[in-house]
Amino acid sequence: DQQVKQNSPSLSVQEGRISILNCDYTNSMFDYFLWYKKYPAEGPTFLISISSIKDKNEDGRFTVFLNKSAKHLSLHIVPSQPGDSAVYFCAANEYDKIIFGKGTRLHILP
Amino acid sequence: DVKVTQSSRYLVKRTGEKVFLECVQDMDHENMFWYRQDPGLGLRLIYFSYDVKMKEKGDIPEGYSVSREKKERFSLILESASTNQTSMYLCASSPRGGRASYEQYFGPGTRLTVT
Repeated sequence: DQQVKQNSPSLSVQEGRISILNCDYTNSMFDYFLWYKKYPAEGPTFLISISSIKDKNEDGRFTVFLNKSAKHLSLHIVPSQPGDSAVYFCAANEYDKIIFGKGTRLHILP
Repeated sequence: DVKVTQSSRYLVKRTGEKVFLECVQDMDHENMFWYRQDPGLGLRLIYFSYDVKMKEKGDIPEGYSVSREKKERFSLILESASTNQTSMYLCASSPRGGRASYEQYFGPGTRLTVT
């Protein structure tokens, strides 16, 4: 059974607007969450993370929000740019391993 | 900068062939991982290793084996390739322990086609 779920396979957002990517998890023992970004024909790259003791972490245009009671996190990208078009993977730690969601493909429309 | 390299970007093999996928990292990381990525299925962990000569099964180890004879090198072996192993294979590495271990560095991937 999936422990990290990204229920939206794809999302289209107008350039300049906010992109919100969502992620749910089932294991309350997860204590660290990450977002990775992947372009076609490249490996994923780490984007931003958040510890379970925080509810928000911001890095430039990227902000991750964590709602532990709902077991939900979201990635906000403001403003969205054409180079943000990629697949975004939500992930959570399990010891030295990380468990990935299935990904959400983000299309930024001109 | 951490660099993870994979021996081939594209590979075409025949059913039944033995296939070796090589991965090398240059950051002295203890942990190394092999994933496969398939449309709609995300990244699935095949095998991982915490140290030289150590290996652990991931979520989908069937049909695969691994070898880690040196710290910097982690090989994925398909003993007898089958068409359902056609996929994108991704290698990753991370340091051992603590929060740093959660941020994995990925190679560019090998697109394997088995015909």
